[in-house]
Amino acid sequence: NAGVTQTPKFRVLKTGQSMTLLCAQDMNHEYMYWYRQDPGMGLRLIHYSVGEGTTAKGEVPDGYNVSRLKKQNFLLGLESAAPSQTSVYFCASSPGRLNTEAFFGQGTRLTVV
Amino acid sequence: GQQVMQIPQYQHVQEGEDFTTYCNSSTTLSNIQWYKQRPGGHPVFLIQLVKSGEVKKQKRLTFQFGEAKKNSSLHITATQTTDVGTYFCAGFRGYGQNFVFGPGTRLSVLP
Repeated sequence: NAGVTQTPKFRVLKTGQSMTLLCAQDMNHEYMYWYRQDPGMGLRLIHYSVGEGTTAKGEVPDGYNVSRLKKQNFLLGLESAAPSQTSVYFCASSPGRLNTEAFFGQGTRLTVV
Repeated sequence: GQQVMQIPQYQHVQEGEDFTTYCNSSTTLSNIQWYKQRPGGHPVFLIQLVKSGEVKKQKRLTFQFGEAKKNSSLHITATQTTDVGTYFCAGFRGYGQNFVFGPGTRLSVLP
């Protein structure tokens, strides 16, 4: 089983460029999440989705957009990248919100120069 | 700001020594989860605690949820080099909320 797969694994962007990170899960999970991980900050929730066609803002949504057109995919977009968005991005999925574990992808290391 | 705190931020131990990390929340939690992230890896679920005062064990790992459901701890007995990584707690405050992760405790084990 692939679980949660993120594409790409690494990316370097110039300030102002745009890009989309793709997350795909094959576990038929309803919930999907995008986190960013910065040193000493743990994992901070950017956006999440409770089902196909739905999205909601998390703790740090500014500068990001998301879409969940298909249940298995959750896309994270950066319209105009900034150096402050240099981070490691993790996608996760879970069958529910409460009393269920989250399964994480392998992460995308993004550097904005 | 951070609603879930963890101490210590870093811990270096000699192999065979015990290790404990503490997780504290400013508000009462519905439940709490613990994750482990190996260096260069992704977080992996370890356990979930739901009941006040709950204690769960996984081999050398002991997890505890405080009576007031505002704190939790992870204790590792006789650490091994395979225990190296960052341990995160994630607290859930209730309906309509999402899990909030603590900043993590990075464990180094010297052979």
